[in-house]
Amino acid sequence: GENVEQHPSTLSVQEGDSAVIKCTYSDSASNYFPWYKQELGKRPQLIIDIRSNVGEKKDQRIAVTLNKTAKHFSLHITETQPEDSAVYFCAASRDTGRRALTFGSGTRLQVQP
Amino acid sequence: SQTIHQWPATLVQPVGSPLSLECTVEGTSNPNLYWYRQAAGRGLQLLFYSVGIGQISSEVPQNLSASRPQDRQFILSSKKLLLSDSGFYLCAWRGPGANTDTQYFGPGTRLTVL
Repeated sequence: GENVEQHPSTLSVQEGDSAVIKCTYSDSASNYFPWYKQELGKRPQLIIDIRSNVGEKKDQRIAVTLNKTAKHFSLHITETQPEDSAVYFCAASRDTGRRALTFGSGTRLQVQP
Repeated sequence: SQTIHQWPATLVQPVGSPLSLECTVEGTSNPNLYWYRQAAGRGLQLLFYSVGIGQISSEVPQNLSASRPQDRQFILSSKKLLLSDSGFYLCAWRGPGANTDTQYFGPGTRLTVL
């Protein structure tokens, strides 16, 4: 089955700096890669996603890049703000079979004001 | 628009007691439904998924079970809870079509087994 590894497990940045979180996946058939943000005690919320036919996607301060050959994808947050502090999860899935997400272990991002 | 509900929001149960968590989805038909568990400070573990009424697939052998008695209803159950069943239980749905990748989570049930 799919295995998703995520790094780093914790990340501390100064407000205004950029943050990068990286994930690798094992199943070459995976073709959908979302990123979720989870605040303490809350449900994960989708912040951005990318499909395998696209190499990069951007939404304001958030961008995701995908390298299918190397089987890794990354989340980039620019101009970080204290409200960006949360746990971020990457995930991967394919559009056949169970179509369930396999999640990375999460990255706790702390933005220092 | 689609909405997903879970109840109860929180639950404290003794070891050995039964469990029933409910998830319902509104505003969509024939969704794929999922149960995940999140232990404190950890990632999300897929427990069960369902592609239709009465169709349940288990991902992890354990003392939990799931049922889908109606198209938009997904139930997680246990006959006897263990301490290790404590966690944050999240129900999720996605559309049945080929281009409906996005998975949406319910508000979750926080279960504490004492």
